[in-house]
Amino acid sequence: LAKTTQPISMDSYEGQEVNITCSHNNIATNDYITWYQQFPSQGPRFIIQGYKTKVTNEVASLFIPADRKSSTLSLPRVSLSDTAVYYCLVGDINDMRFGAGTRLTVKP
Amino acid sequence: DVKVTQSSRYLVKRTGEKVFLECVQDMDHENMFWYRQDPGLGLRLIYFSYDVKMKEKGDIPEGYSVSREKKERFSLILESASTNQTSMYLCASRSPGHLSSYEQYFGPGTRLTVT
Repeated sequence: LAKTTQPISMDSYEGQEVNITCSHNNIATNDYITWYQQFPSQGPRFIIQGYKTKVTNEVASLFIPADRKSSTLSLPRVSLSDTAVYYCLVGDINDMRFGAGTRLTVKP
Repeated sequence: DVKVTQSSRYLVKRTGEKVFLECVQDMDHENMFWYRQDPGLGLRLIYFSYDVKMKEKGDIPEGYSVSREKKERFSLILESASTNQTSMYLCASRSPGHLSSYEQYFGPGTRLTVT
């Protein structure tokens, strides 16, 4: 079970691009990388998932280098409503675990 | 849209009481999960179920049990509630055969206080 390390908190301003990096040095061959977002008083919500290189959807991009020992979630032009906790999960389908997450605060 | 509902948003129970937390999903998902969330610890997996009548222990099963008699319903049971079980409890479901099979759908959570 690959363990992840993320910053505890980050601050940003509206309109900026935010990059949150997750370290997972002992990622296994079968492991995928998944990111969730959680707003206060709500359950987490799936954002994006990837295995290698780059994945992009309407919400975010996920960059994964060739060695897969880290990944970066990129949020383009954040707004106040992007203030949330972001979780990086690494594992295979039956063995993914949530860590403590990164608390992102977007300021006006 | 997938909907996962939990029986209560807020619950207050006394030490020693037996507590039932109910979770229902409406998308015919095979897998269901129970987590608890505490400040600074993120979400920790208590139990999960691959399918009806199947259950597997997660990382912190002590003091909890589960029941999955029907596909849409997954119950978490605190046999004898203790104050250290005061927490936010989150239920989730997933369909392993779906394209985005790693995606779990979460309910709104139940904030349980044990006094």
